[in-house]
Parts: sequence; C-alpha cells; structure tokens
Amino acid sequence: QSVLTQPPSASGTPGQRVTISCSGSSSNIGNNNVNWYQQLPGTAPKLLIYSNNQRPSGVPDRFSGSKSGTSASLGISGLQSEDEADYYCAAWDDSLNGVVFGGGTKLTVL
Amino acid sequence: QVQLQESGPGLVKPSETLSLTCTVSGGSISSYYWSWIRQPAGKGLECIGRIYTSGSANYNPSLKSRVTMLVDTSKNQFSLKLSSVTAADTAVYYCARGVGWEPRFDYWGQGTLVTVSS
Repeated sequence: QSVLTQPPSASGTPGQRVTISCSGSSSNIGNNNVNWYQQLPGTAPKLLIYSNNQRPSGVPDRFSGSKSGTSASLGISGLQSEDEADYYCAAWDDSLNGVVFGGGTKLTVL
Repeated sequence: QVQLQESGPGLVKPSETLSLTCTVSGGSISSYYWSWIRQPAGKGLECIGRIYTSGSANYNPSLKSRVTMLVDTSKNQFSLKLSSVTAADTAVYYCARGVGWEPRFDYWGQGTLVTVSS
C-alpha cells in the first residue's frame, strides 16, 4: 500500500480534459513539493511536473499541476492518444525521511 | 546530454547480495542526489534510497537494514548493494538523478531487470 493515494485508473476521449488526484498527509504533500511522472509502456518514467506546478523544458503546456493542503492534482487538457500511460505522483516524507510515490494511475484514451 | 546506464547481474540467487552500478555520462556527478528506484513487474515505483555526492545517504526505512549506496566521483558512478535478497526483490531497477531536496528526478537510466531465483 502506497503512502500517497492515487486512483488506479482514469480515462477520457481525445480532446477532453482529465484530472488525476494524489492524496497524502501533513508529513509529505502537506509540507513538501509534489512531482509528477509519466511512464509510457516499457520505458523509464519521465519527469512531467516538479515543484507542484512547474513544467520541465519540452513538456507541453497541456500538462499542469496543482496542490492544496495534503492533496495534489495533475491535469491533462486536449487529451491525445500518446498520453496513454501510467502517471505517478511523488513527494518527500518528513516522517519516513524518504521519497514516497503514489501507486500510479493508468490513463486510457478511449 | 546527461545519460545514466545501469549495469550488473540480471540474476541473483536468494540470500545473496544484489549489486548494481550506475554510470553517469555527459555531465558531472557532483552537486546532485543520485537515487535507486525499483519497479516490480506490473506494480508501482519504490524509492530504495538516494545518495548525495558528499556520500550522505537516505534509505527507505523498509529496506534500510539491507541497503548500501556508494558514490565514486572519480569514475562518475554510484552503486547499490542490497543484501539477503528474496523473490520479492525481483524488479526493474532504475538509477536516476535528483535535483535539489524534493524528488525531482530529471534523468533516468533505462532500467535493468534483476531476477532473484535459484
């Protein structure tokens, strides 16, 4: 069982906007930044969002991040077939003194 | 362009020690956090731990008693040793570069599958 809680699955049709949630506690999301990763099948994860809402160079602005209290969200607008992947949130946990990941959300583009 | 490459045995016997090395090219190993992250087949990501270039390390509490990480700045490499392995340690192991204190892993290795089996 993961320290950060994500829905196991999400779906949307091309062009739609989808949101993936990540729930934690005061020892992780509540007191630290959240990062999001995209993992395409058979590949290493890729940094999608850092510091709650910052996009690395090269990440389309269709991807956005937000944080409120002990929860965070990843938004994907203008959904495309190539967005079909697993998405993970991650944060530092002060109590565990380590990095914790969410269990991952499998996004299906219908 | 920074590149990370994991290397080490793909098969380890139960109770033995898993040893992996990550070689960093295209950039300096200094002033970053270097992490090992694993992923069992069909499951999520688990951070094993990370080490700063000073040698200071943090390990996942659930693995701490079995993990050792080292960094060799002269070779631009860092390593992982996981002792007393069981089948539960079978996974794809990734090395990754972390920027700053938060888990901002901006470069990853391609991953290497390690199977624990006799």
